Amino acid sequence: DARVTQTPRDKVTEMGQEVTMRCQPILGHNTVFWYRQTMMQGLELLAYFRNRAPLDDSGMPKDRFSAEMPDATLATLKIQPSEPRDSAVYFCASGLAHWEQFFGPGTRLTVL
Amino acid sequence: KQEVTQIPAALSVPEGENLVLNCSFTDSAIYNLQWFRQDPGKGLTSLLLIQSSQREQTSGRLNASLDKSSGRSTLYIAASQPGDSATYLCAVIWETSGSRLTFGEGTQLTVNP
Repeated sequence: DARVTQTPRDKVTEMGQEVTMRCQPILGHNTVFWYRQTMMQGLELLAYFRNRAPLDDSGMPKDRFSAEMPDATLATLKIQPSEPRDSAVYFCASGLAHWEQFFGPGTRLTVL
Repeated sequence: KQEVTQIPAALSVPEGENLVLNCSFTDSAIYNLQWFRQDPGKGLTSLLLIQSSQREQTSGRLNASLDKSSGRSTLYIAASQPGDSATYLCAVIWETSGSRLTFGEGTQLTVNP
């Protein structure tokens, strides 16, 4: 049963600390997305990659956030330094180009 | 501005009732529209994908329709069950937005036994 996996599932950290979230997309999917969900803003796209190349990171605060795909089986989202306003659930999703997107279980981040 | 709106924000129905969830979008130039389900504290489960050239898609008790010209989609749930209780999200990929999904706020559905 192919699915997107994310680690960690929960992360509590203090303001100023570095946070790294990891995602393993579904094998064969060439497009990987990072979304963030908050009560206030709902679900928003942060960035996405196609064939490991970044296509759109316009939703991401550039000064503190970075996203990479070291290889086809791993995507990372890093926040440095973290701030309380970054507290949210971060979802990774994968798919093929414009087609159906499949979401992972999310990483719940709490920044104190 | 390209926006997705879902009405109502919350809906409570008795078990067994047929129901319709509504989604509207401001720009008809879409690639596709996707319906998701989200259980509390969980990720999103894809329910149905409707491509821009299609009028409807069906999966089990679910039927989603798409009317591009009017900027509307509906998700029909037949014979609702308590296990259908969740938040249902509608999301659109526009022709001008790459592969970005733009989500509505969701409809929180409660099916009472």
